[in-house]
Amino acid sequence: GNSVTQMEGPVTLSEEAFLTINCTYTATGYPSLFWYVQYPGEGLQLLLKATKADDKGSNKGFEATYRKETTSFHLEKGSVQVSDSAVYFCALSQSASKIIFGSGTRLSIRP
Amino acid sequence: ETGVTQSPTHLIKTRGQQVTLRCSSQSGHNTVSWYQQALGQGPQFIFQYYREEENGRGNFPPRFSGLQFPNYSSELNVNALELDDSALYLCASSPGTSGGQYQETQYFGPGTRLLVL
Repeated sequence: GNSVTQMEGPVTLSEEAFLTINCTYTATGYPSLFWYVQYPGEGLQLLLKATKADDKGSNKGFEATYRKETTSFHLEKGSVQVSDSAVYFCALSQSASKIIFGSGTRLSIRP
Repeated sequence: ETGVTQSPTHLIKTRGQQVTLRCSSQSGHNTVSWYQQALGQGPQFIFQYYREEENGRGNFPPRFSGLQFPNYSSELNVNALELDDSALYLCASSPGTSGGQYQETQYFGPGTRLLVL
């Protein structure tokens, strides 16, 4: 069945460091791929998405490229801020209904 | 434009009881999905409602049931609560079909945190 695997956390970085959170997926066909973010005490917010191979999703300085050949959708940011501290979820959707989420990666940014 | 809202924010129940959680979808959205997020885990799909009909169900037992109303708000009902039902329950809405295409992106509410003792 379809699944998403993302790097385990927690990930701790200093402010202005470069961020990569790895995400790979298993699916037949061409799913849509998402990154959601969950700030402390809040619900999930869509961060970015890509709907076909080689698409790049971007938002708030974060980027991820849909790589069909490596079944990956790694999240990157060139310079993180303390306000980026949150839990990040990689996810895929291949049907009209459900989204399949990874287990989440907790990111902590030190000032 | 108001976002997805859920009530209550927190709830404590005992084993064997029944609970009803409520969700108001974002304006203009006709599709509502429910997810269970256990502590430290990613959300797991429970089911989805589209125009008041169930439109997909995850691997959850029948004691998890739902409703969608004509105004597209929704309820999640859980009977015979078990300790493992303790989790954050998330509701998400999506616009369904827009411009002739199905819009997959789901917009989440803040969740209801349920504790079963």
